[in-house]
Amino acid sequence: GAVVSQHPSWVICKSGTSVKIECRSLDFQATTMFWYRQFPKQSLMLMATSNEGSKATYEQGVEKDKFLINHASLTLSTLTVTSAHPEDSSFYICSAPRGLVGQETQYFGPGTRLLVL
Amino acid sequence: GENVGLHLPTLSVQEGDNSIINCAYSNSASDYFIWYKQESGKGPQFIIDIRSNMDKRQGQRVTVLLNKTVKHLSLQIAATQPGDSAVYFCAENIGSNDYKLSFGAGTTVTVRA
Repeated sequence: GAVVSQHPSWVICKSGTSVKIECRSLDFQATTMFWYRQFPKQSLMLMATSNEGSKATYEQGVEKDKFLINHASLTLSTLTVTSAHPEDSSFYICSAPRGLVGQETQYFGPGTRLLVL
Repeated sequence: GENVGLHLPTLSVQEGDNSIINCAYSNSASDYFIWYKQESGKGPQFIIDIRSNMDKRQGQRVTVLLNKTVKHLSLQIAATQPGDSAVYFCAENIGSNDYKLSFGAGTTVTVRA
C-alpha cells in the first residue's frame, strides 16, 4: 500500500490565489521530505528539501518566497504556492525516505495536479 | 536532472519479450542509483536500486546493471507484460546522502499485445 500520501490530488485555482499541498508519511516518521515538480512529458525536477524543525533548502532557481514549505511535524510537510500563475501549473510530487538508517528507500506520493487559470 | 540521461526516449516491446532500458550518468561521485516506474497521472514507483559497490542486482522480473567504467545503468525487465507500460526513470543521488535525487529524462515503454 501507499506509504506517502498527498492532498489534494488535483486543484484548480484562479491566478493570484495561493494553494496549499500536503504531503504525509504514513506509519513512519520523516525528518526530511522532498518536493518535486514535473511538467508534461518531462522528468521530475527537485524543488526543495523540507526539513522538520528547520528551514527548507531550495534548489537553484526555485523562489523560496513563491514556494513556501513548512515541515510541521514528523509526518507532514506542506508546500504553498503563493500568488499562483498559469506557469505554475504542474504536477507536484513529494517524497520521503523510509527504512533503516543507511538503507532508506525514497518513496513518492501520488502527486498533486495544479491548474492555474 | 542534468546529471542523468537516457539513451532512448521510447521503447516498444512485444508482450513476453525482455525489455532493456538504458541510462547514462555523468557524476562520478554518485554512489546510489534507483529505477522508478511512473504510470500516467501517478507518482513514481520504486522498482529497484543499486549501490556503486555492486554491478548487478536482481529483483522480481527485473535486473539492474551498473557499469561504473562507462557510467552506464540499465534496467532489464523479463517477460514484459502489458502492465509494464509506463515511463521509466533512472535517478542518482546528488547529495551527501541517498536522499537528494537527480532524475533522467525518462523512457516511455509501450508493450504490444
